[in-house]
Amino acid sequence: SYDLTQPPSESVLPGQTATITCSGHELGAKFVSWYQQRPGQSPLLIIYQDSKRPSGTPDRFSGSNSGNTAILNISGTQPSDEADYYCLAWEDSTSVVFGGGTKLTVL
Amino acid sequence: QVQLVESGGGVVQPGTSLRLACVGSGVSNHGIHWVRQAPGKGLEWVAVIYNDGLKKYYADSVKGRFTISRDSSESKLFLHMESLRVEDTAVYFCARDRGPSGTETSTYSWLEAWGQGTLVAVSS
Repeated sequence: SYDLTQPPSESVLPGQTATITCSGHELGAKFVSWYQQRPGQSPLLIIYQDSKRPSGTPDRFSGSNSGNTAILNISGTQPSDEADYYCLAWEDSTSVVFGGGTKLTVL
Repeated sequence: QVQLVESGGGVVQPGTSLRLACVGSGVSNHGIHWVRQAPGKGLEWVAVIYNDGLKKYYADSVKGRFTISRDSSESKLFLHMESLRVEDTAVYFCARDRGPSGTETSTYSWLEAWGQGTLVAVSS
């Protein structure tokens, strides 16, 4: 089976840049999407196709994917960005995988 | 803006069955995924039905016990769950798939819209 590895937690000061990684074998050959989940809420798509933002996602959010690692960056982090973040990729045409999730704390 | 709505969750005993439903925009012509989240845990992909309604795939943890189906006439999608186990306890979300070409499901797809989830609790 295919695994996506995320750090369980990250912390950032308000206004600074938060970086969340997602690692998997040859992940750069796949398309990665990212989801934000605030406490008690459903997941929300924030990045798709590695780096594209749906309408409504602030441009503070950016993504990249190369080699074995996809990265979600949040610049000028705000208290409202405190949430769990999950990466997703398709293992193959029959299976989808989520990373374990990263809890972002805005100090 | 609510786009998908799940229903059918509840408290059931191990070994029993339950059917979840998902209704909303795009259920009849998009790929739809079921994703679950156990209490205090991360997201786990459960199953997908492709936009064509023909291809259906399941996570190993539910294969042979869960079945996804679609009623296009009513724009409803179902997750039939049998032989439920304590470890199936979770909030179950349905999510609408979108890909670069629009409604066609592929390995390039992402989950563009999610429901609010329905809780399934399996307990004796």
